[in-house]
Amino acid sequence: GQQVMQIPQYQHVQEGEDFTTYCNSSTTLSNIQWYKQRPGGHPVFLIQLVKSGEVKKQKRLTFQFGEAKKNSSLHITATQTTDVGTYFCAAQGAGGTSYGKLTFGQGTILTVHP
Amino acid sequence: GAGVSQSPSNKVTEKGKDVELRCDPISGHTALYWYRQRLGQGLEFLIYFQGNSAPDKSGLPSDRFSAERTGESVSTLTIQRTQQEDSAVYLCASSFSGGAVGEQFFGPGTRLTVL
Repeated sequence: GQQVMQIPQYQHVQEGEDFTTYCNSSTTLSNIQWYKQRPGGHPVFLIQLVKSGEVKKQKRLTFQFGEAKKNSSLHITATQTTDVGTYFCAAQGAGGTSYGKLTFGQGTILTVHP
Repeated sequence: GAGVSQSPSNKVTEKGKDVELRCDPISGHTALYWYRQRLGQGLEFLIYFQGNSAPDKSGLPSDRFSAERTGESVSTLTIQRTQQEDSAVYLCASSFSGGAVGEQFFGPGTRLTVL
């Protein structure tokens, strides 16, 4: 079945440093979404990428979808303590039984030291 | 408007007992998803519904797990003869339509503890 690898598993940064998490699939994706889960909370949607090579920005967050639609990244510039949480990518396969559902990566746990 | 709600928020049960978890999706959302999240882990897909049909049940861990949805609304996830390894947070999500999956809205989850 669909597998999505996400790295790193953990990232500790000082406030003001940048942060990047990467997501890779062995198969071509239809689209990829990113979610943030605060400690003790539930995942909250951040963004969806659909087009090959797509780049989207939300304030200090930059999301990219690879040209081959097999990988994606989330980059946070100048982290703040409010960025703390787990960031998940969630991929939808291009067809077959993987269409219609999301496969989540294992998540990257971000801690920010003030 | 109301978001996705789940009940109970916490459930403690004894090994071997059956439990039923409920999810109320956002009104008008035709797609509904169940996930399991063990402590410190990612989201494990269990099942999803498009309307009242479940096109993909591949994530259900064993035949002790079942789910149903009625009226294109409420869904229940039933775990029979619970085991300690079933302890986890069970998350429900809904989205406007299945097929091309859009934004999923998650409920607060049900924390299940099997003693």
